[in-house]
Amino acid sequence: GENVEQHPSTLSVQEGDSAVIKCTYSDSASNYFPWYKQELGKGPQLIIDIRSNVGEKKDQRIAVTLNKTAKHFSLHITETQPEDSAVYFCAASLFGASGGGADGLTFGKGTHLIIQP
Amino acid sequence: GAVVSQHPSWVICKSGTSVKIECRSLDFQATTMFWYRQFPKQSLMLMATSNEGSKATYEQGVEKDKFLINHASLTLSTLTVTSAHPEDSSFYICSASVDRGNSPLHFGNGTRLTVT
Repeated sequence: GENVEQHPSTLSVQEGDSAVIKCTYSDSASNYFPWYKQELGKGPQLIIDIRSNVGEKKDQRIAVTLNKTAKHFSLHITETQPEDSAVYFCAASLFGASGGGADGLTFGKGTHLIIQP
Repeated sequence: GAVVSQHPSWVICKSGTSVKIECRSLDFQATTMFWYRQFPKQSLMLMATSNEGSKATYEQGVEKDKFLINHASLTLSTLTVTSAHPEDSSFYICSASVDRGNSPLHFGNGTRLTVT
């Protein structure tokens, strides 16, 4: 089955600086890679996702890059703000197939991002 | 769009009692919903897949008689923790997608269960 490794487990950056969280996956068949943000006491919120036919996707201060050959993908947050402080989870799955999408989501262990004022 | 609502947000119960948690898709129909469990500072662990009109599919190691799932309509799935014990205390989260296998997964805000 799929195995997703996520690093670092904790990341502390100065407000205004950039933050990068990295994930690797094991199953080369995986083709969908979402990122979730989870604030304390709340459920995960989808913030950005990417499919394997795209190498990079950007949404304002958030971007995700994917290297299919190396089987790793990263979340980039620029100009960090205090409200970016949360736990971020990466995940991988096989989209568009029976048992894919939500069924097959394998999560990383999470990164606690701390934005220092 | 794609809002998933969960109720209650927190519950405290005594050991031996049962607790029901509701998960609703507010603006879409979901033939499939998913139940996760999350321990403090850990990742999400898939417990079971809830299927409308049929039996739920449980992940290995999850007791189906302990965690009863009912998916009676296209917008509602319930998880009942039966004869709860302190070790069942956890954060339970449900999720659903508009088009299973072809659209992103959206999560409810979770239910914090504390068994005393």
